[in-house]
Amino acid sequence: QVQLKESGPGLVQPSQTLSLTCTVSGLSLTSNSVSWIRQPPGKGLEWMGVIWSNGGTDYNSAIKSRLSISRDTSKSQVFLKMNSLQTEDTAMYFCARRSYGGYSPWGQGVMVTVSS
Amino acid sequence: DIQMTQSPASLSASLGETVSIECLASEDIYNNLAWYQQKPGKSPQLLIYYASSLQDGVPSRFSGSGSGTQYSLKINSLESEDAATYFCLQDSEYPPTFGGGTKLELK
Repeated sequence: QVQLKESGPGLVQPSQTLSLTCTVSGLSLTSNSVSWIRQPPGKGLEWMGVIWSNGGTDYNSAIKSRLSISRDTSKSQVFLKMNSLQTEDTAMYFCARRSYGGYSPWGQGVMVTVSS
Repeated sequence: DIQMTQSPASLSASLGETVSIECLASEDIYNNLAWYQQKPGKSPQLLIYYASSLQDGVPSRFSGSGSGTQYSLKINSLESEDAATYFCLQDSEYPPTFGGGTKLELK
């Protein structure tokens, strides 16, 4: 059974860096791609970026300058780092497997609040 | 970026009814369109991919259609468990972009 689970701090101070981990099970990161997607409270979804099965990355140009996605295949983990956080970065952050034609499954999400 | 305009933003329907949700892309997305269901406090679940292919385990009362820039999700014979928010997502061109969502309420 494929599962993804996000973890990280629930509260980050403005201007600081957010670090999140997506731990996957039931799949290999060398043959699967994983994306990060976020959802501000009460709002729609925003695709942030992807780490491909070959280790390459693509990012949403709107946040590209602040975002980095990496992985540790031996630990089955994908990492998100985003710097210069502002209140508008408050959101639920999801990781999801890029499957055939869509994203499935998704992790349960981790809520991140940016506040002093 | 490709803009996805989803309508309606909200919808109220009765059990057993049939409803449709639309997504209009700002340019041709060549059927690279998926539909998701999200219930409160839960992560989105993939329903339909490549515009009309039903994800494994999804009830057959869900169906997708469309081409070019216009796509729709149809739910037949509404059941209480269908109360949720539905999103479309295009990944024809990067970055993938989502529709604004449709909140479906059951009367």
